[in-house]
Amino acid sequence: GENVEQHPSTLSVQEGDSAVIKCTYSDSASNYFPWYKQELGKRPQLIIDIRSNVGEKKDQRIAVTLNKTAKHFSLHITETQPEDSAVYFCAGGSQGNLIFGKGTKLSVKP
Amino acid sequence: DGGITQSPKYLFRKEGQNVTLSCEQNLNHDAMYWYRQDPGQGLRLIYYSQIVNDFQKGDIAEGYSVSREKKESFPLTVTSAQKNPTAFYLCASRGQGKGGNQPQHFGDGTRLSIL
Repeated sequence: GENVEQHPSTLSVQEGDSAVIKCTYSDSASNYFPWYKQELGKRPQLIIDIRSNVGEKKDQRIAVTLNKTAKHFSLHITETQPEDSAVYFCAGGSQGNLIFGKGTKLSVKP
Repeated sequence: DGGITQSPKYLFRKEGQNVTLSCEQNLNHDAMYWYRQDPGQGLRLIYYSQIVNDFQKGDIAEGYSVSREKKESFPLTVTSAQKNPTAFYLCASRGQGKGGNQPQHFGDGTRLSIL
């Protein structure tokens, strides 16, 4: 069935370094790819999204890239800060329905 | 996302009991979703509804039921048939918007435990 794989499951970086999280998807009909940040015990919050007619999107320290041919997309966080520590989820889908990856726990060490 | 309200925040279920989780939104969104989240796992879709009086099963619908009698409300019932109900339950909604797919916005969740 349709699937979204996310790697790595945990990621530890030093404050100020960059962090990269990668996802692959199986459904070639997927055309929408959001990323969510979830702090412990709280709701997932949308941080950035990209649609299949765009290859890259940036918002301050966050960027997402999409390679439709290879069916993968990535989240890039530059100049990481301790408050970036959380679980990040990628998702992919179409027609409004999403398949979520299993999440990446990012730890930013001061 | 203050427009999506889930209640209660914590819920305990006894053996053989059905419990209902509430989800209300005032965002005028057509689509609503229920997800289950287990530790170390992603979000798994239980049920979704694209329009009032219509809903579809997701990947893990067994042991759950929903209704969508009003646009604002999408309650989830965890029945006694769900043998492992302990999890964090998240409700989401999505507007139509322009340009195709729009993001889903989540409520604060309900944590369900077995007594």
